[in-house]
Amino acid sequence: DSGVTQTPKHLITATGQRVTLRCSPRSGDLSVYWYQQSLDQGLQFLIQYYNGEERAKGNILERFSAQQFPDLHSELNLSSLELGDSALYFCASSASPGRRFGYTFGSGTRLTVV
Amino acid sequence: GQQLNQSPQSMFIQEGEDVSMNCTSSSIFNTWLWYKQDPGEGPVLLIALYKAGELTSNGRLTAQFGITRKDSFLNISASIPSDVGIYFCAGRPISGNTGKLIFGQGTTLQVKP
Repeated sequence: DSGVTQTPKHLITATGQRVTLRCSPRSGDLSVYWYQQSLDQGLQFLIQYYNGEERAKGNILERFSAQQFPDLHSELNLSSLELGDSALYFCASSASPGRRFGYTFGSGTRLTVV
Repeated sequence: GQQLNQSPQSMFIQEGEDVSMNCTSSSIFNTWLWYKQDPGEGPVLLIALYKAGELTSNGRLTAQFGITRKDSFLNISASIPSDVGIYFCAGRPISGNTGKLIFGQGTTLQVKP
């Protein structure tokens, strides 16, 4: 157990629907990162939050949004889902955005859009 | 966006053999990390490198931060069946202080007992 908790583990939904993925960071970690992993794209950075504030944005689609709450858990919202959104979504956390802090990843949420 | 070129894409080796994989970038990174991912799990950090030329070991694993700061390699000695998995390099760009990592495409390692 890495200490980063992601729910749900699996999600199957239809095109056009909206889903919410949840992440609880490791105790004491203030930074949360979201990554998308699809078969042909590797791990793609989506977005980062630090202590409730958005810190960095990657190639996140406009249909996707995220937030980090006061208790530091984070949610990734995916709307108007398309078949191509099927992927593994990982959350990672670190104590600080600084370079000396490595990430700890959760086990991921496997999203299947049918 | 920024890309890391990781090679080889896959390897199929005999147990006991040594393995080497590397990552190159067109831009400079101030941190290089190597992760391993098992099926159905998230990546797990193996080795972290923080300065150019640094050579670090973790058991049978050895990694180096290239002196140009644009490359890194990972060696696994005397491979065993549990080394099977996907190995990712990741780099932290020098610009900004976000902690964002750029990942390579991964090297899939299979070990034949």
